Amino acid sequence: DAGVTQSPTHLIKTRGQQVTLRCSPKSGHDTVSWYQQALGQGPQFIFQYYEEEERQRGNFPDRFSGHQFPNYSSELNVNALLLGDSALYLCASSWGADNEKLFFGSGTQLSVL
Amino acid sequence: EDKVVQSPLSLVVHEGDTVTLNCSYEVTNFRSLLWYKQEKKAPTFLFMLTSSGIEKKSGRLSSILDKKELFSILNITATQTGDSAVYLCAVVKSRGSQGNLIFGKGTKLSVKP
Repeated sequence: DAGVTQSPTHLIKTRGQQVTLRCSPKSGHDTVSWYQQALGQGPQFIFQYYEEEERQRGNFPDRFSGHQFPNYSSELNVNALLLGDSALYLCASSWGADNEKLFFGSGTQLSVL
Repeated sequence: EDKVVQSPLSLVVHEGDTVTLNCSYEVTNFRSLLWYKQEKKAPTFLFMLTSSGIEKKSGRLSSILDKKELFSILNITATQTGDSAVYLCAVVKSRGSQGNLIFGKGTKLSVKP
């Protein structure tokens, strides 16, 4: 049973660039949430996708956008990268948008230079 | 403003010790509280608590929620080096916010042989 998979595992970008991170949910799950975890902090909610629509959004600027595909996989896009965007980006999946028990992937470590 | 506060932020114990990790919260329309273990990157689910006073138990780990005093504790008995990790507490607010987990900063537990 495949868990939540994310790619790439590491990424280095420079300020002003754009980045796309990818996530495949756990088998049987249809909902994907994205989190940003800065060093020494807990994860912070970015947004949730269900039925290919953004259902909830945290306090992140419009530079952060996403997409969910018919096979439930998801992408997180960040435009105009800032140094402060350097963090671990975690994807979590669940069955149904009303289910708070989330299963997390191992994340993508993004470094912005 | 919603907040989740964990204490202590870090803890060093020896194998065989018993530890208690604390999580207090202030959120409107509380729905549930979750505990996760983060060893390297991916947080793994431990417990979800919704009712006061009911202890959840899994092997050497147990947790309880006090909705009146707005806190939860996670106990680990007979600690092992494999318990070394960051333990994250997260709170979910009312229905419709289930993908949005509000995390604390975590407690870093180090178990020495």
